[in-house]
Parts: sequence; C-alpha cells; structure tokens
Amino acid sequence: SAVISQKPSRDICQRGTSLTIQCQVDSQVTMMFWYRQQPGQSLTLIATANQGSEATYESGFVIDKFPISRPNLTFSTLTVSNMSPEDSSIYLCSVVIDLRTEAFFGQGTRLTVV
Amino acid sequence: LAKTTQPISMDSYEGQEVNITCSHNNIATNDYITWYQQFPSQGPRFIIQGYKTKVTNEVASLFIPADRKSSTLSLPRVSLSDTAVYYCLVGRGGGGDYKLSFGAGTTVTVRA
Repeated sequence: SAVISQKPSRDICQRGTSLTIQCQVDSQVTMMFWYRQQPGQSLTLIATANQGSEATYESGFVIDKFPISRPNLTFSTLTVSNMSPEDSSIYLCSVVIDLRTEAFFGQGTRLTVV
Repeated sequence: LAKTTQPISMDSYEGQEVNITCSHNNIATNDYITWYQQFPSQGPRFIIQGYKTKVTNEVASLFIPADRKSSTLSLPRVSLSDTAVYYCLVGRGGGGDYKLSFGAGTTVTVRA
C-alpha cells in the first residue's frame, strides 16, 4: 500500500487567487493522478502527472488553469489558478505503485472559493 | 472505458447482506471490474477486483456471470460503518485502467 499526504487538507481562498496543492507519497510510485470531486458528485479525472514532462490533461481541463508538476517519483503538485467559486471542490491525488496493484487515493483537499 | 450503471442508493440494516448490482453491457474482453468505497471526507478505497466468476476477500465478494455484462458486489453482515458510496468501475489491463472513470456510485445507508 501507499501512504499519501495531501496539503493543505482544506482552504478558503479569494476569487482570482491561486492555490497549490501538494501530494507526497511515502514510496516511489509508477503513476500519479489528480481528480476533482464537486460537492455531492462523483470523481472526475483532471490529469495524469508525468515525471519530468508536461501532464496529460483530460477533456475540459487545461494546463493554464490547472498547472501540474511532478519532479520525482514521490511528489506532485496541482495548482488551481485564477480561482472562481465554481472551482470549489475536493481535489484528490491518486497513485499507482506498480502496474499490478490498485490505485490509492489521498484524503483530498477541500477548497472553497469566496 | 466501459460505461457502468448502478443504483443511486440502497438502504439496509445492521447484520443484513447488501448486494449492489452494476451493469456494464459494453465491457471489453480485457476489462476488469473494480469496486471502490468512499466515506465522507475521504478518498476512495479499493475493495475488490475481478474478471470472471467469483472473487472473495475479507471485506466483500464479487459475483460476475459468464457474459460479464453485470457484476454484483456483496457485503456480508453490514454494520453502521459500512455506510458509504460504492463505485463500480470497468477498465482495461491486468490491474484495471488506472485512468479511473467513476460513475455516480451507490450510496449505501446502514441503519441500526
């Protein structure tokens, strides 16, 4: 298994500002992902965080709005840029240790934009 | 990724068995079926995965008929702590598709 630490666990931000969410894993992992879960809804994949290269974004998500970094095999960040109230969601980091195991999720970051 | 359909909600009582059926009519040959559980304010947690017939672990059983167009997650003797949202996912590869596509999920409420 993997222990995933997400920071911050929650935040309240002003519209127009940006927030960077960190995902730290206690062991090297093969794959890292970022998901969004809007209030009362299911999870939606934002992007795959690629080590040393640009993230791969899903339809509807763009790098300018959600820049992602993954400098090594245990760490990734997601930035929510120029926030609006519509960005209020829970953002979750997910990892796959190796291709034989299931995906593990962090506890999430609850973001409220006012 | 194959689309899945499952009930929006289910109610049960402590000690009962809960069975959640998921439909996945366009499942592909290489697809596996995976179930996740999510408690409020937590990320999803892997429960069980299977390809065909029956899989059982310490938490649940997964029943998959021969045509694989549906699957049933069985939670034996539920307790209040089993109240959660349960997601059925279908994906490719030996370990499932890691770009997980979550459907609406089934909210299971267990009452005393």
